[in-house]
Amino acid sequence: GENVEQHPSTLSVQEGDSAVIKCTYSDSASNYFPWYKQELGKRPQLIIDIRSNVGEKKDQRIAVTLNKTAKHFSLHITETQPEDSAVYFCAARANAGKSTFGDGTTLTVKP
Amino acid sequence: NAGVTQTPKFQVLKTGQSMTLQCAQDMNHEYMSWYRQDPGMGLRLIHYSVGAGITDQGEVPNGYNVSRSTTEDFPLRLLSAAPSQTSVYFCASMAAGANVLTFGAGSRLTVL
Repeated sequence: GENVEQHPSTLSVQEGDSAVIKCTYSDSASNYFPWYKQELGKRPQLIIDIRSNVGEKKDQRIAVTLNKTAKHFSLHITETQPEDSAVYFCAARANAGKSTFGDGTTLTVKP
Repeated sequence: NAGVTQTPKFQVLKTGQSMTLQCAQDMNHEYMSWYRQDPGMGLRLIHYSVGAGITDQGEVPNGYNVSRSTTEDFPLRLLSAAPSQTSVYFCASMAAGANVLTFGAGSRLTVL
């Protein structure tokens, strides 16, 4: 089955700095890669996603890049703000609905 | 629309007890799934269903049963709870042909 590895497990940045979280996947059939943000005690919420036919996607301060050859994708957050502090999960999906998640990255943005 | 509704939000069980976590969605989504979330381990798929009458196992199915008699409901049953099943459980649904999972608010289960 699919295996998704996510790094780092914790990340602390100063407000205004950039944050990068990286994920690798194993199944070359995976074609959809979402990123979820989970605030403490809340449900995961989709923040950005990318399909395998696209190399990069941007939405305001967040962007995702995908390298299918190397089987890795990354989340980039620029101009970080304290409200960006949360746990971020990457996921990969090949078959309809069966998403495999990374173990999460706890991002702390220090004011 | 209520989205994905999970009940109960909190539950404490003793080892060996049985219980059912309820999940209902009102979006007419074909796909429904159950995940468990443990500290530092992300979300792991327990069981999933691609439509009424169809269920399949995920990564960690042992100790759990599911059924999908209607499109709206996807209950998760623990027949004999164990302390290793202490976790937060999330139900999620998705429309056919879509990509985005919609999660419920979660159910925190403690097994003593």
